[in-house]
Amino acid sequence: KAGVTQTPRYLIKTRGQQVTLSCSPISGHRSVSWYQQTPGQGLQFLFEYFSETQRNKGNFPGRFSGRQFSNSRSEMNVSTLELGDSALYLCASSLAAGDTQYFGPGTRLTVL
Amino acid sequence: AQSVAQPEDQVNVAEGNPLTVKCTYSVSGNPYLFWYVQYPNRGLQFLLKYITGDNLVKGSYGFEAEFNKSQTSFHLKKPSALVSDSALYFCAVRDISNTGTASKLTFGTGTRLQVTL
Repeated sequence: KAGVTQTPRYLIKTRGQQVTLSCSPISGHRSVSWYQQTPGQGLQFLFEYFSETQRNKGNFPGRFSGRQFSNSRSEMNVSTLELGDSALYLCASSLAAGDTQYFGPGTRLTVL
Repeated sequence: AQSVAQPEDQVNVAEGNPLTVKCTYSVSGNPYLFWYVQYPNRGLQFLLKYITGDNLVKGSYGFEAEFNKSQTSFHLKKPSALVSDSALYFCAVRDISNTGTASKLTFGTGTRLQVTL
């Protein structure tokens, strides 16, 4: 069974731009969570989606948003990019909310 | 609020020796506990989890972890380390008693394991 896939793997943007990251969960998994990983803050929870509904949200500004489609694929969007948004963005999927999360390889976002 | 502490930034061990990576947690209710490993430029790879039952949990690649409720610890162990075990290890907790945040994983800061010949 294929694992979690994330596209693109690498992105370079400039301040003020917006970006959309994509995540395809493991087949049959209905829950998708997003995390931000930075050297300074470590791994921080962004949000979780289950059956196209956001169930939980971390402490991030409104510039960070996401959605989930009927096929469980998820996207996250960051608007008005700031230098501090440079990070590895990780997507994780699980069969249902609360189950073991399996992570994708991440998208490395660099904001210049 | 739930939290995880990994008190060691780095653990150094010689190949063939046993290794321990420490983790303590804090939750208001009953915890689900996890260990993940991260290799350079890769995502997190699931190693093992504790939900309930036997306090000694066995996972992938010969790793195991011991849940100690009185000490609120969940240390990762391996009887004989390999050079290929060198990576960044994360402990994570989920508070299952809080249905509002049941899926939120809270991670420790990570411990870098360096295994040398």
